[in-house]
Amino acid sequence: AQKVTQAQTEISVVEKEDVTLDCVYETRDTTYYLFWYKQPPSGELVFLIRRNSFDEQNEISGRYSWNFQKSTSSFNFTITASQVVDSAVYFCALRGYTNAGKSTFGDGTTLTVKP
Amino acid sequence: EAGVAQSPRYKIIEKRQSVAFWCNPISGHATLYWYQQILGQGPKLLIQFQNNGVVDDSQLPKDRFSAERLKGVDSTLKIQPAKLEDSAVYLCASSIGSGQGNIQYFGAGTRLSVL
Repeated sequence: AQKVTQAQTEISVVEKEDVTLDCVYETRDTTYYLFWYKQPPSGELVFLIRRNSFDEQNEISGRYSWNFQKSTSSFNFTITASQVVDSAVYFCALRGYTNAGKSTFGDGTTLTVKP
Repeated sequence: EAGVAQSPRYKIIEKRQSVAFWCNPISGHATLYWYQQILGQGPKLLIQFQNNGVVDDSQLPKDRFSAERLKGVDSTLKIQPAKLEDSAVYLCASSIGSGQGNIQYFGAGTRLSVL
């Protein structure tokens, strides 16, 4: 079975603080993909990043960075110098070959950035 | 490029009534997904289409939910009759193909309230 756990239900920070959103996953697949999505109040899930299980390189995109560690089954997301516009719900998702290839989403972390 | 379009954005109905949601995917995307997102949870896949054929509907409550994608483009999701527990956001997503690494692009969703 596949499972994604986002243990942090809600996080509140003050603007310009760094914040890390945790994602831990379970899968029996050796080949799988991990995703992060952002859901602002408008409701649409916005794709942020995709990582396949064979690529453990960390990635940085502007203020965003991702740390993928297969040894701990984690795919954590860090926002540096947070801004009010970063306030949203963030979802981590897993898609492998078992579970009929369905995406499994975590329950999300609500991030509030206060001015 | 236009994104995934959904309508209506909001719908309020009484229990036992019927309701239909419409989705127009990104042009050229062969794969279309309907998700149900209950408040405080991640999206859960209801049905996946590849062109106009159903790939996976294992989590669709077929006694009350139905979906179609007759011409391989637009899709409708129907609930008849609705129950209180159907109150949720219904998200449509599309991807260029059905492979596990394909990025899913989401619409803004339809928020359904069943009274």
